[in-house]
Amino acid sequence: EPEVTQTPSHQVTQMGQEVILRCVPISNHLYFYWYRQILGQKVEFLVSFYNNEISEKSEIFDDQFSVERPDGSNFTLKIRSTKLEDSAMYFCASRGGQGKTEAFFGQGTRLTVV
Amino acid sequence: AQSVTQLDSQVPVFEEAPVELRCNYSSSVSVYLFWYVQYPNQGLQLLLKYLSGSTLVKGINGFEAEFNKSQTSFHLRKPSVHISDTAEYFCAVALGYNQGGKLIFGQGTELSVKP
Repeated sequence: EPEVTQTPSHQVTQMGQEVILRCVPISNHLYFYWYRQILGQKVEFLVSFYNNEISEKSEIFDDQFSVERPDGSNFTLKIRSTKLEDSAMYFCASRGGQGKTEAFFGQGTRLTVV
Repeated sequence: AQSVTQLDSQVPVFEEAPVELRCNYSSSVSVYLFWYVQYPNQGLQLLLKYLSGSTLVKGINGFEAEFNKSQTSFHLRKPSVHISDTAEYFCAVALGYNQGGKLIFGQGTELSVKP
């Protein structure tokens, strides 16, 4: 069964460092998303991506964040200069085309900023 | 703006007992409704969804949910739970998928099934 794959499963980084979280969405899906879940809190939408551009972003997704689909298979989230409050579980999700309503989630990357 | 409220943060229940996890949403437009489950150290898995049609929706693992438009609720139920149902459950809403389809999640309900 096709699945969304995220790497790494756990990343520890020092404050101020750049991190790149990687995701391989399900092949032939068209919509891509990043969500995050701070420990003990709800899952929050960060950004959606369609047709090689951001279609929507939340207030959380400020200039420190960027997304890219560099090669038609990977979908990355970059945090330019990490802060302690960026520590969270980051989930990637993908969805098929129009009329496809289910979003498939990856296992998540736990980011710890120290 | 859309929002989702899950009224119970934790629900302890004994094995084979029935359970209901409550979810209320607010939206000025039609929405799609979902329940996701998160087992320990895993991602989010879709349990069931309501898009339109019958208000009683059946999902995987014996779960079902009922959409109640007048009460803006989408409560999740299971008549008899198993130890393996222990997990975090998230209710979510999405705008029509022509608008990109982001999900707005509730705070989650931790279901703990005891023997």
